[in-house]
Amino acid sequence: SQTIHQWPATLVQPVGSPLSLECTVEGTSNPNLYWYRQAAGRGLQLLFYSVGIGQISSEVPQNLSASRPQDRQFILSSKKLLLSDSGFYLCAWSMGQGFSEAFFGQGTRLTVV
Amino acid sequence: AQTVTQSQPEMSVQEAETVTLSCTYDTSENNYYLFWYKQPPSRQMILVIRQEAYKQQNATENRFSVNFQKAAKSFSLKISDSQLGDTAMYFCAFPRIGGATNKLIFGTGTLLAVQP
Repeated sequence: SQTIHQWPATLVQPVGSPLSLECTVEGTSNPNLYWYRQAAGRGLQLLFYSVGIGQISSEVPQNLSASRPQDRQFILSSKKLLLSDSGFYLCAWSMGQGFSEAFFGQGTRLTVV
Repeated sequence: AQTVTQSQPEMSVQEAETVTLSCTYDTSENNYYLFWYKQPPSRQMILVIRQEAYKQQNATENRFSVNFQKAAKSFSLKISDSQLGDTAMYFCAFPRIGGATNKLIFGTGTLLAVQP
């Protein structure tokens, strides 16, 4: 069966520090991968998605970047965090280009102080 | 533009009662899926149910069922025999068509509280 792992679960970082959140998927190959952000009490905003190694598409301009160095690994990064980067970050995967549902990791709660 | 709208920010239901959460969407596509996700206090996103637009029969998963009205672009979730564990934020989701892959877009959510 497929599983998705996301870490760390909680992170407190000072303003201006770098960020690296990692997500890996097991039990499948060539998944579509996604990073979402959820502000407190709000819906999910799609940040990045990837259909293959090295292929990253950004949905919104921001202080963050994403990379996919391996087929089942997706990384969310920042060189210098802003206060506005605080939030709950969710990694997700889906299959193919069709109408597949997405399966989510457990999320990372990021607080920038 | 493809959008998803949930007009009920919060709802409350008594344990064992039935509650219906509303969702409307906008699309020019003819074939697509619709999803309901549940986010409990742990914040894990859990797929509750999905509906295929080309199927006239409404999807059912145990106590969860949908009322899918394609012409009206309405996709409501009915929870029967509500349980305390159903307390969560519920999101309606819809794949935005186009580009390299379809990307799920979410409504703003409905916070459901099941009261004992």
